[in-house]
Amino acid sequence: KNEVEQSPQNLTAQEGEFITINCSYSVGISALHWLQQHPGGGIVSLFMLSSGKKKHGRLIATINIQEKHSSLHITASHPRDSAVYICAVRETSGSRLTFGEGTQLTVNP
Amino acid sequence: DTAVSQTPKYLVTQMGNDKSIKCEQNLGHDTMYWYKQDSKKFLKIMFSYNNKELIINETVPNRFSPKSPDKAHLNLHINSLELGDSAVYFCASSQWGELEQYFGPGTRLTVT
Repeated sequence: KNEVEQSPQNLTAQEGEFITINCSYSVGISALHWLQQHPGGGIVSLFMLSSGKKKHGRLIATINIQEKHSSLHITASHPRDSAVYICAVRETSGSRLTFGEGTQLTVNP
Repeated sequence: DTAVSQTPKYLVTQMGNDKSIKCEQNLGHDTMYWYKQDSKKFLKIMFSYNNKELIINETVPNRFSPKSPDKAHLNLHINSLELGDSAVYFCASSQWGELEQYFGPGTRLTVT
C-alpha cells in the first residue's frame, strides 16, 4: 500500500462542474504539495500546504492534519484544466517527497 | 529564462548503450533531485544532492550514477541501458530547508 493514496484515479467532468480530488497519507508530514502535469509532460507546483486552506484563482486546496487528508477543488472547471493532478508529501523525517499515483482529470466542453 | 532546464528533452537509444541527461537550475538553489516517472505516471525519487553531496540515494541500479559538478548542475549518467529504463526523468531543485520544489520539463527516455 502506497503511503500516499489519491482518489479518484480518473475523473471526467463537463465544463463548469465543481471538481474534488482527494489525497490521504499515512505518515507524519511537514508539508503537502499539489502538482499539475499537463499532457506535454511539464510539472507545475500548484500549492504547498502545512495547514488550513489556500486559494489561487479557481483552485482551492485544503488539508486536515489530524485526519491526514487533503483535497484539491476546482471551481467552474474548464477543458484547459485537463491534466494529471499529483499529491506529494514531505515526511517530517526527511527531505524527500513521496508521491501519489496521480488523478487524470478530463474536462469536456 | 527557464528556471530548471534539462537536456535532451527526448532520447531514443538502444539497449546496452550509455547515455547522460543533464540538468541545470538558475534559481540559486542548493539542492537538486532526480525523479523517475514510469508508464503509469508514478513519480519516484531516485537521488538528491545538497551542495554537491549525495543525501538521498534510493534503491536504484548502480548503472545509474548522478554527478553534481556544482550546485547548479546535476547530471544523470546511465550505463548499459535496459528496456525497463524507459521512462520520463524529471530534475527538480529547491533551497535546503524550504519545501517548495521546482521541476524541469522532463526527459523522455526510450530504450529499444
